[in-house]
Amino acid sequence: AQSVTQLDSHVSVSEGTPVLLRCNYSSSYSPSLFWYVQHPNKGLQLLLKYTSAATLVKGINGFEAEFKKSETSFHLTKPSAHMSDAAEYFCVVSEDATNKLIFGTGTLLAVQP
Amino acid sequence: NAGVTQTPKFRVLKTGQSMTLLCAQDMNHEYMYWYRQDPGMGLRLIHYSVGEGTTAKGEVPDGYNVSRLKKQNFLLGLESAAPSQTSVYFCASSYSDRRDTGELFFGEGSRLTVL
Repeated sequence: AQSVTQLDSHVSVSEGTPVLLRCNYSSSYSPSLFWYVQHPNKGLQLLLKYTSAATLVKGINGFEAEFKKSETSFHLTKPSAHMSDAAEYFCVVSEDATNKLIFGTGTLLAVQP
Repeated sequence: NAGVTQTPKFRVLKTGQSMTLLCAQDMNHEYMYWYRQDPGMGLRLIHYSVGEGTTAKGEVPDGYNVSRLKKQNFLLGLESAAPSQTSVYFCASSYSDRRDTGELFFGEGSRLTVL
């Protein structure tokens, strides 16, 4: 069965410094992977997705993620954090050819001025 | 541009009471989903629907029922609420079930407390 592990429950960075949110997955087959973002008191929004095309995926708001099969990882990065990036981020895996997704437990990103 | 709308946004129930959460989407999506979000557990799928008149169980369906009488609406019911159902509930919809194209659009959530 597929699963996803977000290695950090909380990450704190200073504005203007790089962001790294870590995600490892477990899957028997070639997975599709997603990052969703949830701002306070809002619903989740798709940030980016990997679906077996290019391994480096670019998303909205300057975020990107790299699929590394050998490391079973899909880490989310951004070169320079902005205050508006403060939110909770969810790594998600889908192994089946459907939209029944498996969500990670989330990483809360805090951005300090 | 409403997207996915959930009502009510907040509700407090006593154990044993019943209630219904309403989800409405205006994007003509075929697929709709109900999730619950609990601290430290991510989102878990309760029930989903692949079209008008259809429903199916997700990961944690016990204690909940759903109906999809109209394409744009997906109702989640609690027949006899329990404290374990205290959670934030999210409705989502998508236009495709293909993992390589389907993007879920979420409502803003409904916070339910069962005393």
